[in-house]
Amino acid sequence: DSGVTQTPKHLITATGQRVTLRCSPRSGDLSVYWYQQSLDQGLQFLIHYYNGEERAKGNILERFSAQQFPDLHSELNLSSLELGDSALYFCASSVGRLSYNSPLHFGNGTRLTVT
Amino acid sequence: DAKTTQPNSMESNEEEPVHLPCNHSTISGTDYIHWYRQLPSQGPEYVIHGLTSNVNNRMASLAIAEDRKSSTLILHRATLRDAAVYYCILRGNMLTFGGGTRLMVKP
Repeated sequence: DSGVTQTPKHLITATGQRVTLRCSPRSGDLSVYWYQQSLDQGLQFLIHYYNGEERAKGNILERFSAQQFPDLHSELNLSSLELGDSALYFCASSVGRLSYNSPLHFGNGTRLTVT
Repeated sequence: DAKTTQPNSMESNEEEPVHLPCNHSTISGTDYIHWYRQLPSQGPEYVIHGLTSNVNNRMASLAIAEDRKSSTLILHRATLRDAAVYYCILRGNMLTFGGGTRLMVKP
């Protein structure tokens, strides 16, 4: 058990809809990362938050947004969903902002299916 | 983030050592080398990391070349449960994952 909790585990929704994925980091971790994993593209970095502030953006679409709350949990919002957004979405946490010496701990992901 | 190159797949026999190579010729002085593995239907799992010196933990050993342009993850005795995709990553702000090496373990 990594200590990172993601909910829900599965989500099925229709095109055009909006969903929110939730992540609770490990106790004491201030950084949260979001990744998307689809069958043909591997793990794609989306966004990184540290202590409530956005620190880095990767290949995140404009239809997607995220935030980290004062209690350090994070939410990833996906809107105007398309079939191609179907994927596994992982959250990871680590201790520091730029602590390259600290490992990332991943949750077990949310499987999103857009029909 | 600097890029890494790994073989797409490798095979090993159970209970034999496995050496998983990774090339990272554009590594910078502050990059830590991290290894993660991903089992089917699970999130990536941290394995080991290091900067310059070789590292050992309960899961594996990490051998880092003197010029730091390559590294090798060593599983001392592969088990069937070690079958996974192994990712070598240079730890920067984004922690970008490449394609990884799919390790197959034969009984």
